[in-house]
Amino acid sequence: AQSVTQPDIHITVSEGASLELRCNYSYGATPYLFWYVQSPGQGLQLLLKYFSGDTLVQGIKGFEAEFKRSQSSFNLRKPSVHWNDAAEYFCAVGVNNAGNMLTFGGGTRLMVKP
Amino acid sequence: GAGVSQSPSNKVTEKGKDVELRCDPISGHTALYWYRQSLGQGLEFLIYFQGNSAPDKSGLPSDRFSAERTGGSVSTLTIQRTQQEDSAVYLCASSLDRGPLHFGNGTRLTVT
Repeated sequence: AQSVTQPDIHITVSEGASLELRCNYSYGATPYLFWYVQSPGQGLQLLLKYFSGDTLVQGIKGFEAEFKRSQSSFNLRKPSVHWNDAAEYFCAVGVNNAGNMLTFGGGTRLMVKP
Repeated sequence: GAGVSQSPSNKVTEKGKDVELRCDPISGHTALYWYRQSLGQGLEFLIYFQGNSAPDKSGLPSDRFSAERTGGSVSTLTIQRTQQEDSAVYLCASSLDRGPLHFGNGTRLTVT
């Protein structure tokens, strides 16, 4: 069965510092991969997705993620974090042909220090 | 345009009562999903509707949970005889066939 692991439950970074959120997946076929962000009291917003092609994908709000098949990873990065990036981040893998049946990781809560 | 709309935004109910949660998907989206997010947990898949196909109910945790989608649009998630462990945020999402999921803001259910 498919699974998604986000090893870091909480991360704190200083504003302006770089960020990397880890995501590892287990899935028998070529995965569709997603990162979502959830601000307090809000639903989830799609940051970026990987379906095929270039393994480095660009998303909204200055985020990017790199698919590494050899490591079964899809880590999320941002070169300079802003205070309003504080939120919870979820990695997900799409497990059907359309890539829209998602299995989510447990989430990483990001806190940003001024 | 309008996003996914869920109502109510908050619901407090007594243990043993039935509740209905509503989801209005984005117009034209063929797929609709329900997820549950418990405190400190990730998102747990509950049920998936795709067009006129039979729904995928594999994530429903017990027979107290059911959902329907009328006319290929609005969906209602019903929880019968609620228990305290049902307390969670229930998230609805919709998508086009192969598009990304668009989530509503959720319904926070508290069972006292």
